[in-house]
Amino acid sequence: EADIYQTPRYLVIGTGKKITLECSQTMGHDKMYWYQQDPGMELHLIHYSYGVNSTEKGDLSSESTVSRIRTEHFPLTLESARPSHTSQYLCASSETRAVGKAFFGQGTRLTVV
Amino acid sequence: RKEVEQDPGPFNVPEGATVAFNCTYSNSASQSFFWYRQDCRKEPKLLMSVYSSGNEDGRFTAQLNRASQYISLLIRDSKLSDSATYLCVVRISNDMRFGAGTRLTVKP
Repeated sequence: EADIYQTPRYLVIGTGKKITLECSQTMGHDKMYWYQQDPGMELHLIHYSYGVNSTEKGDLSSESTVSRIRTEHFPLTLESARPSHTSQYLCASSETRAVGKAFFGQGTRLTVV
Repeated sequence: RKEVEQDPGPFNVPEGATVAFNCTYSNSASQSFFWYRQDCRKEPKLLMSVYSSGNEDGRFTAQLNRASQYISLLIRDSKLSDSATYLCVVRISNDMRFGAGTRLTVKP
């Protein structure tokens, strides 16, 4: 089993609220990623990080921000949730020398009402 | 054009059948290739890497054709538990690019 954890697993929240999705890994991986995935659809990269104090936007930043203050922690924040943010959010990590061999968390299913 | 393209399926096959999926990629600078499996409402998990010479892991065989820019996954003697979506993943520099996946349903 992968040692990467996401909380909460499910979240229903009202429009306009600020939310933070948590992701932690205990494998010491430098690279971490956030993906968004709608049911039956492909994964879209939202943000990624090469290591502490490194963050980059992916193809679909979705008006969110991330931080990487510690190697093991890569939280995703939505400043003002909208119904269009309703989706599944998946966090992943990999070793820098093994990009492609990623471990995923179980995901956070977000519903914005 | 998407960077990684897969036939979405669904592929509905009986137990014991052999089934093959293809995936094409557009970026000739792609460096390495993988197949992931994603069960319904679960996270993706690495199934196997794809090596230039082709590789096998039990009932699963992966092939790479760099000239034609496609990779394939063959599943022999399919089991009910093989039912899932199979994602093709391509590494380009430090990024992973995911295909949308091919859904497989194995029926008794």
